[in-house]
Amino acid sequence: EAQVTQNPRYLITVTGKKLTVTCSQNMNHEYMSWYRQDPGLGLRQIYYSMNVEVTDKGDVPEGYKVSRKEKRNFPLILESPSPNQTSLYFCASSYGQLYGYTFGSGTRLTVV
Amino acid sequence: AQSVTQLDSQVPVFEEAPVELRCNYSSSVSVYLFWYVQYPNQGLQLLLKYLSGSTLVKGINGFEAEFNKSQTSFHLRKPSVHISDTAEYFCAVSYTGTASKLTFGTGTRLQVTL
Repeated sequence: EAQVTQNPRYLITVTGKKLTVTCSQNMNHEYMSWYRQDPGLGLRQIYYSMNVEVTDKGDVPEGYKVSRKEKRNFPLILESPSPNQTSLYFCASSYGQLYGYTFGSGTRLTVV
Repeated sequence: AQSVTQLDSQVPVFEEAPVELRCNYSSSVSVYLFWYVQYPNQGLQLLLKYLSGSTLVKGINGFEAEFNKSQTSFHLRKPSVHISDTAEYFCAVSYTGTASKLTFGTGTRLQVTL
């Protein structure tokens, strides 16, 4: 089944403790992206990647890192999480701009 | 800068009634427009998209949208809604030449009741 898989689905962590949210897609998509969803703000792009080793900042990149060492994987790294990063995170992938994104099921992160 | 406006945060409607969810985007020479739906506790699913050509596009689940360049709008419509259409709907825009940058609106919660 074609899909984007994120792990974990739920995560509660403490301020300052480094964490990684994994994302993997099995559709051979070149484009991948991370979004955060907050009430009243919709989805905001954190980082995106157009291919292996090619990444760029989205609208809200502060406090996040990404890497794209393999085509299928695009992990999101929070080096020192803070409470304002409590949010619902989505990974998405696409063949390109004309196709729209396929989204994962989301990761609900709580930073206390 | 890319921007999308969904003025209605919530739209209540009775089952079998028609509905229109509004979306406006910031003007540009050429855009690609999308509507996504998010059911509770799920990711987003593509409903339909406009790339070029006919301004009326049809999507899944009986939804359609009309691209209006002069009004920079891309409103979503359904002639008769069902309870199962209760969800959050997001409009999104991508401008040509911006690769994979997709900007979303703040969403409209469609609540269908009997």
